[in-house]
Amino acid sequence: GQQVMQIPQYQHVQEGEDFTTYCNSSTTLSNIQWYKQRPGGHPVFLIQLVKSGEVKKQKRLTFQFGEAKKNSSLHITATQTTDVGTYFCAKTTGNEKLTFGTGTRLTIIP
Amino acid sequence: ETGVTQSPTHLIKTRGQQVTLRCSSQSGHNTVSWYQQALGQGPQFIFQYYREEENGRGNFPPRFSGLQFPNYSSELNVNALELDDSALYLCASSLGQATPTDQYFGPGTRLLVL
Repeated sequence: GQQVMQIPQYQHVQEGEDFTTYCNSSTTLSNIQWYKQRPGGHPVFLIQLVKSGEVKKQKRLTFQFGEAKKNSSLHITATQTTDVGTYFCAKTTGNEKLTFGTGTRLTIIP
Repeated sequence: ETGVTQSPTHLIKTRGQQVTLRCSSQSGHNTVSWYQQALGQGPQFIFQYYREEENGRGNFPPRFSGLQFPNYSSELNVNALELDDSALYLCASSLGQATPTDQYFGPGTRLLVL
């Protein structure tokens, strides 16, 4: 199937630094969802973006959907140890089937 | 917590055996999707059940099968287990509306096939 690529695969940041993960699709997306999975845990829904150029914020997290609806980003300002985990973007198709991106594993250095 | 529960939490099987995993969806949700997550990978869609009918299937062989019950709980059955079936199996429930909604994942079942 058509994959959704994420970069980087891994990111190690000093606590307090910013972090960004990027999600890219070769086809236009109807929407994009973001999930966070803590180590040993399960994916937890963060947000859904639908509109071209949409920007949404949740405290220190900023989510963007590209103008062409082919890419998206998640930016975390001033990372904290609680931000540790793997961040996945996911596209939905017709019946709410999720196709997950490859994920970015975030490690925080205290 | 999402209100989605799965059982068992962990399971060890040997090659060739069969396994049944169970999922109780969040109250009010009529759609259950199953995903397989291998170590270090993103979840892969197995199939989805909507009102007791299969409603879409990913690229998994027929030995992966499922059921949904009238109370919308669901089972995933895997026959003739292979070593590569070792993974975290996640179910996710949702409202099953025409427009995509967020899905609520259960804690998963970790399956190890020896």
